[in-house]
Amino acid sequence: GQSLEQPSEVTAVEGAIVQINCTYQTSGFYGLSWYQQHDGGAPTFLSYNALDGLEETGRFSSFLSRSDSYGYLLLQELQMKDSASYFCAASFSGGYNKLIFGAGTRLAVHP
Amino acid sequence: DGGITQSPKYLFRKEGQNVTLSCEQNLNHDAMYWYRQDPGQGLRLIYYSQIVNDFQKGDIAEGYSVSREKKESFPLTVTSAQKNPTAFYLCASSIAKGASGANVLTFGAGSRLTVL
Repeated sequence: GQSLEQPSEVTAVEGAIVQINCTYQTSGFYGLSWYQQHDGGAPTFLSYNALDGLEETGRFSSFLSRSDSYGYLLLQELQMKDSASYFCAASFSGGYNKLIFGAGTRLAVHP
Repeated sequence: DGGITQSPKYLFRKEGQNVTLSCEQNLNHDAMYWYRQDPGQGLRLIYYSQIVNDFQKGDIAEGYSVSREKKESFPLTVTSAQKNPTAFYLCASSIAKGASGANVLTFGAGSRLTVL
C-alpha cells in the first residue's frame, strides 16, 4: 500500500525546536519530501531526502531512515511565521513519477 | 517571473454543471499534476501528466477529466459525475526526471470550488 502517517497537531513556543515525524508504508518507495502550507495558501517545497541521513537547509532539516521507513522534519529557532501545516510526501520508482501526501501536521507556535 | 497560474481563484457551480479549472505554467516543466484538498486534510492526486498528449489517473480520478495538448497547459474539468466537488484544487508542475523529479513540486495558488 501507499500511505504516510504523521501527527495531526504539534504545539511549540517561539525559539524552541520541534520535530515532525512521518512513517510510510509504500512499495517502490524512492524518496521523501516535505512541504509547508499556510492557511489558504499553496504548499511550498521545503526539503527532499532520497538517501538516508540528514539534509540541512537553514533552520529546517529533514532526516530519512529507509530501514525504519521513517523520516522527520526538524524546525529550529521557531518563529511565529512557522505556524502552518507541514506535509510529508513520498515518491516512487518505476513507471510515471507521482507524489503521495500525508494528511499533514498543523504546527502552532506560541509566544 | 516563472510560475503557475490557476484560474479562477473562486468558482461557484450549480449541481449538474461541468466546470473547467485552468492551469498554465511558464517554468518549462514537463510534468503537471492536479491535487484536491479538503478542509484539514492532505492532498489527494486526481490526474498527472508527464508529457504532452499523455496523462494518468491518480487516486481519485472519478468524475474528473483532463487534457494536455500543450506543455504549458493542463486544464481540469470537474464533471457532474463528481458527487462531492466542493474543495480546494491545486495544480502543480515538476521537472520530469524520474522519481526524483516528482518530489520538487511547484504549486499554483489554487482554485476554490463551491457547489451550491
